[in-house]
Amino acid sequence: DGGITQSPKYLFRKEGQNVTLSCEQNLNHDAMYWYRQDPGQGLRLIYYSQIVNDFQKGDIAEGYSVSREKKESFPLTVTSAQKNPTAFYLCASSTGQGAGYGYTFGSGTRLTVV
Amino acid sequence: KQEVTQIPAALSVPEGENLVLNCSFTDSAIYNLQWFRQDPGKGLTSLLLIQSSQREQTSGRLNASLDKSSGRSTLYIAASQPGDSATYLCAVRPLGAGNMLTFGGGTRLMVKP
Repeated sequence: DGGITQSPKYLFRKEGQNVTLSCEQNLNHDAMYWYRQDPGQGLRLIYYSQIVNDFQKGDIAEGYSVSREKKESFPLTVTSAQKNPTAFYLCASSTGQGAGYGYTFGSGTRLTVV
Repeated sequence: KQEVTQIPAALSVPEGENLVLNCSFTDSAIYNLQWFRQDPGKGLTSLLLIQSSQREQTSGRLNASLDKSSGRSTLYIAASQPGDSATYLCAVRPLGAGNMLTFGGGTRLMVKP
C-alpha cells in the first residue's frame, strides 16, 4: 500500500540538542511538506519542497532545517535554535498542480522537550 | 492573504443526528477544497476533495458542498455515530500559491451514544 511513513512516533529532546524527524513516501509524489500543530491552533507550514534538491521556507521556518536529496524522503531537523519545539509534527505530500490533486498526510511525530 | 474559518469550534450531538460543519474562506480564487478528519494524536485522513469547478462530493454518509463565489463549504454528516467523533479540518488550495494549503482551525465533534 502506498503512503507516508513518519518516524519515530514519539521523540524526546534535551535542551540544546538537535533532533531529526523522518518522513518517507512511496506515492511517487513530487511535493512534500512539514507542518507543526499546537493545541488549539491550526496547522502551520514549516518547510516545503516541490522537487528534489529544492525547498522553500514556510511561515515558521526559524529553528528548523530540511533536505530533499531523494524524491521519497524529506527529513526535518529541529535545531537548538528552536526555542519552543514541543509540538505535533505532520509530514504531507502531493502531486501535480491541477484542481484534482489533494494532500496525503503521515501519522505524525510528537516531539517533547525534557 | 487567504484566511479559512471553521464554525463551530466544537460540537456535541446525540447519536443519530444529521449535522453540518461549516467552512468559510476569504478568497474565492482556489484550485480546490479538501476536508480532513483527525483523531486524537493521529495524522490527517482525507475525506473529500472538491475541485473548484464542482458543487459537491459524496462519500458514504458524508456530503461536502462548495459555493466558491460566496467562499463557503459545508460538510454534512448523516445519521451520526460515536465513531464519527474527531476533529474535522477544511483546507483550501489557493490559485497561484503552488500546492500550499491554507487550513481552518477545525471543528471538534463529539457524538454521544
